[in-house]
Amino acid sequence: DAGVIQSPRHEVTEMGQEVTLRCKPISGHNSLFWYRQTMMRGLELLIYFNNNVPIDDSGMPEDRFSAKMPNASFSTLKIQPSEPRDSAVYFCASSLRNGAGGYTFGSGTRLTVV
Amino acid sequence: KNEVEQSPQNLTAQEGEFITINCSYSVGISALHWLQQHPGGGIVSLFMLSSGKKKHGRLIATINIQEKHSSLHITASHPRDSAVYICAVPEEGAQKLVFGQGTRLTINP
Repeated sequence: DAGVIQSPRHEVTEMGQEVTLRCKPISGHNSLFWYRQTMMRGLELLIYFNNNVPIDDSGMPEDRFSAKMPNASFSTLKIQPSEPRDSAVYFCASSLRNGAGGYTFGSGTRLTVV
Repeated sequence: KNEVEQSPQNLTAQEGEFITINCSYSVGISALHWLQQHPGGGIVSLFMLSSGKKKHGRLIATINIQEKHSSLHITASHPRDSAVYICAVPEEGAQKLVFGQGTRLTINP
């Protein structure tokens, strides 16, 4: 298995633009997590899905952020409109058994909003 | 909410030294995770443990459930071990992880 695949690896965009981050979890994993990492706040959970259903989105900063998981092999995190304070590394992770089987992280997407 | 504290925050050592990183948490858990992140790199899961000790190469992780404490040890440290090591535990009654602030380890040749 190629692991958790995220795209793009790097994204630079102008303030106000829409940004879409993509994630392909490990085949067979039934839980998917989106995390954000910044110098100030470290790693924070934004949202997670079990069996494609959003379970907890309390970490999503505001209405500008949305996440979807249309099927078991694909998820997106969208920011619209983007702001400079959204600049961070966004990680996707997947796991078996709702996290109990350990986590596999993607390589992350480094987002810079200018 | 589970609170996770790691120590030290920064650690610099010479190649070959034995390294210990500590993690304490406030609420009983089912399992604790140790993660590794190299500069500018992704996050790798090193260990998930719920009791006792696990070993993988030069890395050893221990956990004391009663004390709510875990340690990550590196034997015969090497410059390639330089990274940030992060301890994470599940939030009480939830599936999401709560992360420590990380320990930045630098091993000098």
